[in-house]
Amino acid sequence: EIVLTQSPGTLSLSPGERATLSCKASQSLSSNFLAWYQQKPGQAPRLLIYGASTRATGIPDRFSGSGSGTDFTLTISRLEPEDFAVYYCQQYGTSPRTFGHGTKVEIK
Amino acid sequence: EVQLLESGGGFVQPGGSLRLSCAASGFTFNIYSMNWVRQAPGKGLEWVATIGSSGFSTYYSDSVKGRFTVSRDNSKNTLYLQMNSLRAEDTAVYYCARDIMQLWYIFDYWGQGTLVTVSS
Repeated sequence: EIVLTQSPGTLSLSPGERATLSCKASQSLSSNFLAWYQQKPGQAPRLLIYGASTRATGIPDRFSGSGSGTDFTLTISRLEPEDFAVYYCQQYGTSPRTFGHGTKVEIK
Repeated sequence: EVQLLESGGGFVQPGGSLRLSCAASGFTFNIYSMNWVRQAPGKGLEWVATIGSSGFSTYYSDSVKGRFTVSRDNSKNTLYLQMNSLRAEDTAVYYCARDIMQLWYIFDYWGQGTLVTVSS
C-alpha cells in the first residue's frame, strides 16, 4: 500500500498569504496520479486538482499543483477567507487508492 | 446540476447489517463508475468500494472485503452499499462519490454523507 505523508499537519496563515502544502508518497506514483481535495467542517470533500497539476472544473487559478515521482505540492497563491479548510492528497494509480491524513490550513 | 443523496445510515449493534443508498441525478448515471468513501469521526478519508458503470466490476478495500457489497441499479440511478458483520471500526460518515471517468478513482462529485454508528 502506498502511504502518503502530508506536512505540515497544521498551517497557520493570514488571508492574502501564500500556502504551500506537501504530500510525499512512499513510492513513486505512476503517471503522477495524484489528486488534492479540500474539505470544510461538516461538508463533503471537493476535488481541486488531479494529475498532480490539472485543476478541476470551477477551481480558481489561485490553486495550483506541482510535483512528480514521490514529492507533490499544493500551492494557494493568496489565501481567501473561504480557503481555510483541511486539504487531503490522494493517489489513484495503485490499488488500494489511498489518502494522506490531511493538512489543516487555519487562520493565524 | 450533479446531485448525490445518501440515505440509510443509522445506529447498529456490532455484527449487524445496514444498507446504504445513494440517489444520483443531474448526469448520465450509467456511464460513470461510482464509489463509496468513508470518514471516521475526526479522521481522514478512506476509500471503501468501487463499482464499474455496468455493475459487473466491483473492487473493495481489504478492510471491508467479504463483509460489504457494492451494487447499482442503473434503471433507478441508485448506488447501494450492503454492509454486513459490522464492527465498531466501521463507524464513519459514508460518502458516495462519482468517478471523473470510468475507473479512474478521481472523485469529482460527492454526496453530503450518511453517518453509520456501530456500537453496543
